[in-house]
Amino acid sequence: EDKVVQSPLSLVVHEGDTVTLNCSYEVTNFRSLLWYKQEKKAPTFLFMLTSSGIEKKSGRLSSILDKKELFSILNITATQTGDSAVYLCAVGQGGKLIFGQGTELSVKP
Amino acid sequence: DVKVTQSSRYLVKRTGEKVFLECVQDMDHENMFWYRQDPGLGLRLIYFSYDVKMKEKGDIPEGYSVSREKKERFSLILESASTNQTSMYLCASSYFDRANTIYFGEGSWLTVV
Repeated sequence: EDKVVQSPLSLVVHEGDTVTLNCSYEVTNFRSLLWYKQEKKAPTFLFMLTSSGIEKKSGRLSSILDKKELFSILNITATQTGDSAVYLCAVGQGGKLIFGQGTELSVKP
Repeated sequence: DVKVTQSSRYLVKRTGEKVFLECVQDMDHENMFWYRQDPGLGLRLIYFSYDVKMKEKGDIPEGYSVSREKKERFSLILESASTNQTSMYLCASSYFDRANTIYFGEGSWLTVV
């Protein structure tokens, strides 16, 4: 059975901390891994990863994929209260996405 | 701008009622999806469609049906709503075989009492 597992499920940090969110997967016909941020509305796209070992970066966020060990991490440095959200990992299988449970991040002032 | 529009944002329905959730996209996408989102469970796929009049079951199709009579419109139907169907429902669309092109609607919050 195809599955995507995220950890931790929830996390509370203080502004300025660095966090690492994890996503492991067992999916047949893997095509890509995607990260989304969701704040009480539709998920917004962060990154798409298809190749191992190549870091994608956008401001304070970065992500990398390991296709041998079947996992990805999302790093957020110097966290801000605006980073509080649910972070979703999804694996693309053809035209379909299989989602993990999400990690709820809360950043305290 | 790509638009995936869910016509009903907040609904309250009674147990046993028939419920229609409508979704329309304007990008000529082949694929359309209905997901359900519950705390701690992420997004779970209910049904998806690759083409007009075509549908495939996702991971949790029980208690739901769908209709796709036109390419731009995908409807989710709860034949007889139950309290365990209280949830947030997300519609999405994408180009065929390109999951990274997926766009989401704003979500429909359904409460069944």
